[in-house]
Amino acid sequence: QVLLQESGPGLVKPSETLSLTCTVSGYSISSGYYWGWIRQPPGKGLEWIGDIYHNGNTYYNPSLKSRVTMSVDTSKNQFSLKLSSVTAADTAVYYCARDGLSGSYYVDYWGQGTLVTVSS
Amino acid sequence: QLVLTQSPSASASLGASVKLTCTLSSGHSTYAIAWHQQQPEKGPRYLMRLNSDGSHIKGDGIPDRFSGSSSGAERYLIISSLQSEDGADYYCQTWAPGIRVFGGGTKLTVL
Repeated sequence: QVLLQESGPGLVKPSETLSLTCTVSGYSISSGYYWGWIRQPPGKGLEWIGDIYHNGNTYYNPSLKSRVTMSVDTSKNQFSLKLSSVTAADTAVYYCARDGLSGSYYVDYWGQGTLVTVSS
Repeated sequence: QLVLTQSPSASASLGASVKLTCTLSSGHSTYAIAWHQQQPEKGPRYLMRLNSDGSHIKGDGIPDRFSGSSSGAERYLIISSLQSEDGADYYCQTWAPGIRVFGGGTKLTVL
């Protein structure tokens, strides 16, 4: 079974950078698949942030692209998200997920999510 | 532009069946989608991938009560023998090169 676990600070100050890491167990990131981040503001729907492949290839949501950086560490079976210049609008539950391969890019495993609040 | 449209809410009685709809935007009627369930205060769970011909691939442990079908640009999630724990938000998701899209979600109330 593929398990994903998000980790990182739950509180970030405005204008600073949000940093999260997802640790994967039960599947080697190097074996394939894209790995992604999705967020959900309180009381709202899901928003795709971006995906990364084990070779470092990335796709980002155009609306967030200027502030997003994703990276992967295959030795630790982890991938990470950085979102810069955060505001209160970035307050959300952030989920990491396994996001497909070979032209079929849908989430089939989700992390449990971590709440990140942007506040001074 | 690739967009998925879902009704904000639906309701059905305990033990009954319900069909939730996800509509693909014009020009994208052949696209496959995925359905996800989010129970209250929980993270989403993958239910199934649904193709334009109605064939679907369900996730691990998803009961037979959950099925899918397709007609034109519409993709359906059918839940039969509704149970109280089926009361949840249901999201559809699709993809294109370099982009992933979620629908706005449907809140299902089991009466």
